[in-house]
Amino acid sequence: KQEVTQIPAALSVPEGENLVLNCSFTDSAIYNLQWFRQDPGKGLTSLLLIQSSQREQTSGRLNASLDKSSGRSTLYIAASQPGDSATYLCAVKGSGGSNYKLTFGKGTLLTVNP
Amino acid sequence: GAGVSQSPSNKVTEKGKDVELRCDPISGHTALYWYRQRLGQGLEFLIYFQGNSAPDKSGLPSDRFSAERTGESVSTLTIQRTQQEDSAVYLCASSLMGTGTNYEQYFGPGTRLTVT
Repeated sequence: KQEVTQIPAALSVPEGENLVLNCSFTDSAIYNLQWFRQDPGKGLTSLLLIQSSQREQTSGRLNASLDKSSGRSTLYIAASQPGDSATYLCAVKGSGGSNYKLTFGKGTLLTVNP
Repeated sequence: GAGVSQSPSNKVTEKGKDVELRCDPISGHTALYWYRQRLGQGLEFLIYFQGNSAPDKSGLPSDRFSAERTGESVSTLTIQRTQQEDSAVYLCASSLMGTGTNYEQYFGPGTRLTVT
């Protein structure tokens, strides 16, 4: 059974700092990995999707890397802003018989202080 | 364009009552998913629809939970005889296609269910 772990559970940083969020998964047979952002009372917003054959994806100040063999992904946020404050979720899509559903970590709660 | 919508946004119900949660996916999306997010827990997969069929209902926690989809569009998640442990945010997502693809899942804002 796939398990996804996110470290740290919570992170507080001053504005302008670069930061890294970590995600690990137990079964390396994945189709892709997605990073989402969740704001209080809101749904999930997809930030980046990395296919299993890819090593990284970039969007603006966000860069996500994937090391499938070691079961790890990182989300790098450059020059953090107070508007980046949210919960960040990592999710993997399996490549076996359940290659449609996402398995989520519990998330990292990020607070960026002005 | 319009995203995934869910209704109601909040629902408070008494233990033992039945509730229906609605999801309107993005038009043209053939795959639809229901997830549950309980306080302090990660999102849990409940059920997957491809068209109007549900090839995987394995995540439904008990036989009090059921879901249907009609017209390859709207889906309803029904919880009968609600219990306090059913309190959670229920999230719906849709994607252009489901199995074995890299199409992103787009999530709705969720329905927050509170069972008193």
